[in-house]
Amino acid sequence: DIQMTQSPSSLAASVGDRVTITCRASQDISNWLAWFQQKPDKAPKSLIYAASTLQSGVPSRFSGSGSGTDFTLTITNLQPEDFATYYCHHYHRYAPSFGGGTKVEI
Amino acid sequence: QVQVEQSGAEVKRPGASVKVSCRVFGYSLSEISIHWVRQAPGKGLEWMGSFVPEDGETIYAQKFQGRVSMTEDTSLDTGYMEMSSLISEDTAVYYCVLGGDFDYWGQGTLVTVSS
Repeated sequence: DIQMTQSPSSLAASVGDRVTITCRASQDISNWLAWFQQKPDKAPKSLIYAASTLQSGVPSRFSGSGSGTDFTLTITNLQPEDFATYYCHHYHRYAPSFGGGTKVEI
Repeated sequence: QVQVEQSGAEVKRPGASVKVSCRVFGYSLSEISIHWVRQAPGKGLEWMGSFVPEDGETIYAQKFQGRVSMTEDTSLDTGYMEMSSLISEDTAVYYCVLGGDFDYWGQGTLVTVSS
């Protein structure tokens, strides 16, 4: 199975900051990579799929990049509503897996 | 717009089984992938299994093979996840997710396993 390693596991930031979260796959997954945002007691929300394509309605301050084994989620001009936990997700059909999560807090 | 509505919370004894349902609105379940993901309290997301219509097969994470069954009633656009031989570590929120990109998430169903 493919393992997804996310870093950091948590980070402290301020409104207006630029935040970068990385995700590494244990083997080449091409661009089969998605990012989710989860707030407490809520279901995850899809932000990005195919490594860099924004879901409809997601603010442009979110961006994704990478291919192969190394991926990045970047949030520019961090807003109060962005404080949440973020997960990367490899969704190859035969063995999807999630990263461990990154909690972005004040 | 696709919407996903899951069944309500459950409390089960160890050794029992639970069946969670997932009703789809705005799309035909026969044309879209359906996945089940769980999240234990304070923990991360864990993929359990998926049904991909194009393949016509259900795949399960190795950890759940033999203990989890995922089925569908396409006439009702409803999917089901049944888990047997429950233990306390199965206490979690169980999510139904639709789409090849895991686009649409249900609200989650809390399953509590306690004696």
